[in-house]
Amino acid sequence: GAGVSQTPSNKVTEKGKYVELRCDPISGHTALYWYRQSLGQGPEFLIYFQGTGAADDSGLPNDRFFAVRPEGSVSTLKIQRTERGDSAVYLCASSLYLNEQFFGPGTRLTVL
Amino acid sequence: GIQVEQSPPDLILQEGANSTLRCNFSDSVNNLQWFHQNPWGQLINLFYIPSGTKQNGRLSATTVATERYSLLYISSSQTTDSGVYFCAVEWAISSGSARQLTFGSGTQLTVLP
Repeated sequence: GAGVSQTPSNKVTEKGKYVELRCDPISGHTALYWYRQSLGQGPEFLIYFQGTGAADDSGLPNDRFFAVRPEGSVSTLKIQRTERGDSAVYLCASSLYLNEQFFGPGTRLTVL
Repeated sequence: GIQVEQSPPDLILQEGANSTLRCNFSDSVNNLQWFHQNPWGQLINLFYIPSGTKQNGRLSATTVATERYSLLYISSSQTTDSGVYFCAVEWAISSGSARQLTFGSGTQLTVLP
């Protein structure tokens, strides 16, 4: 079956703009996670959904970052007033209940 | 939070050589996963191994949860094994809703032909 998909694969934006990043999890997976990976580092947790609700958003760096999963499947990560420091690869993962996580290919965000 | 340390940070091998990558973690874990990040950035699942030993072809992994470490063995390495290997753990003492993975800094493996 299909794995986790993310769109767009690359996003270039200007400082101060708003961006949305989309994640389609593996069909039937109940849990969905967002991570951020900076160059040369391991991924860092941002937010976790169980169903439609955000069960843990403790990794979101500030209130410019927000994520939704309105129907318990697709999720959108939203970043307002982007800053150059937001440039990174944003990774989405999903899992069946609370088990092994599977990652998508990521969205590379560049803020000019 | 939990600390995850991987060693060595860099490893260069000749094709055909064997290697062992280590992951130490500072507290009890519910889940431990090993990933290979290929040159295009995709994280590929290698093992889901909170405890015990598993093998998959030329790769095997062992987690000794009571001693807080895991090992990834690569035998008869190939150039396609090159990339970054990450260990990631789910901290067992986090709150009931917290299921995130905490990643180590990775081991950069280069296999020379």
